[in-house]
Amino acid sequence: AQSVTQLGSHVSVSEGALVLLRCNYSSSVPPYLFWYVQYPNQGLQLLLKYTSAATLVKGINGFEAEFKKSETSFHLTKPSAHMSDAAEYFCAVSVMDSSYKLIFGSGTRLLVRP
Amino acid sequence: GAVVSQHPSRVICKSGTSVKIECRSLDFQATTMFWYRQFPKQSLMLMATSNEGSKATYEQGVEKDKFLINHASLTLSTLTVTSAHPEDSSFYICSAKLAGSSYEQYFGPGTRLTVT
Repeated sequence: AQSVTQLGSHVSVSEGALVLLRCNYSSSVPPYLFWYVQYPNQGLQLLLKYTSAATLVKGINGFEAEFKKSETSFHLTKPSAHMSDAAEYFCAVSVMDSSYKLIFGSGTRLLVRP
Repeated sequence: GAVVSQHPSRVICKSGTSVKIECRSLDFQATTMFWYRQFPKQSLMLMATSNEGSKATYEQGVEKDKFLINHASLTLSTLTVTSAHPEDSSFYICSAKLAGSSYEQYFGPGTRLTVT
């Protein structure tokens, strides 16, 4: 069975600082991994995805994530935080059966201080 | 491209009534749609997987008779909350999987249900 764990329910950074949101996964097969962002009272927007190609994945809004099999991690980073990055971020793993349904982590709220 | 809509965006209903939420893929066909529930400040919990033309597959602990799902076409799935109670108040989000794709899912904007 697949699962993801997000460490840190809240992360606070200063504007311009590095953003690091942590995600560790558990999967008995090579996983498909995703990062989504959610703004208040809205649906989810895909930031980036890993589907067994390049281990360093670049997404929208300057975010990127690196798949590290040895560490079972898929941490999300951005070199310089912007006020507009303040939101809830979810890591997800795809169940590798015919449904490819997503299992979400508990989420991390990113706060950006001016 | 790949836009998913939900209607209504917000709904308030009285306890004991039923409410229907629609999920539409506007510019693509979706053989599979998913319904999620999200409580305040919590993650998304998958309720059911809806496949066009067949019965939905419900996750463990989700009452299929309470949360009726219909996926009658390649662009529309509906979730009906029957005999709603205040504890059913939540944010319901659907996603649609691109036909022919193994993993591409696109999320709707969500529906806020409040049961009084």
